[in-house]
Amino acid sequence: AQSVTQPDIHITVSEGASLELRCNYSYGATPYLFWYVQSPGQGLQLLLKYFSGDTLVQGIKGFEAEFKRSQSSFNLRKPSVHWSDAAEYFCAVGADTGRRALTFGSGTRLQVQP
Amino acid sequence: GAGVSQSPSNKVTEKGKDVELRCDPISGHTALYWYRQSLGQGLEFLIYFQGNSAPDKSGLPSDRFSAERTGGSVSTLTIQRTQQEDSAVYLCASSRQGGGNEQYFGPGTRLTVT
Repeated sequence: AQSVTQPDIHITVSEGASLELRCNYSYGATPYLFWYVQSPGQGLQLLLKYFSGDTLVQGIKGFEAEFKRSQSSFNLRKPSVHWSDAAEYFCAVGADTGRRALTFGSGTRLQVQP
Repeated sequence: GAGVSQSPSNKVTEKGKDVELRCDPISGHTALYWYRQSLGQGLEFLIYFQGNSAPDKSGLPSDRFSAERTGGSVSTLTIQRTQQEDSAVYLCASSRQGGGNEQYFGPGTRLTVT
């Protein structure tokens, strides 16, 4: 069965500092991987996705993520965090055939200090 | 263009009543998903529709939950005889066929069962 682990429930960083949110997955084949962001009271917004090819993917709002098959990881990074990045971040794994439902991690809540 | 819309945005109901939640997917998206987000369980898949195929109902938690999709577009999630544990945010998402399962989420319906 597929699963996603986000080890950090809550992270606090200072504005302007770099950020890395961890994500580890378990999946039987080559996964489709996603990062979503959720602001309070809002739905999920897709930040970026990995399907195949280049293991470093760029997303919106200056985020990037690196797929590392050997470590079963897909960590999200941003070189300089802005106060508006405070939100909850979800990593998800899925497929494009068969059972297409996404499996989500439990989320990491990001707090940004001025 | 227009995103996924959901209605109502908030719903308060008494235990034992039936509720209907509506989702209007992005035009042209053939796949539609329902997820539930609750404090204790995180983000859980409920049901998936793809075109005219039989829906994947494997995530529905009980037979009190059902969903239909009319005309390949709008979907309604129905919860009968609501219980307090049904209180959650119900999220709808849609994706296009061949789109690598990139799912776009609506703002959700917050259901409170009193």
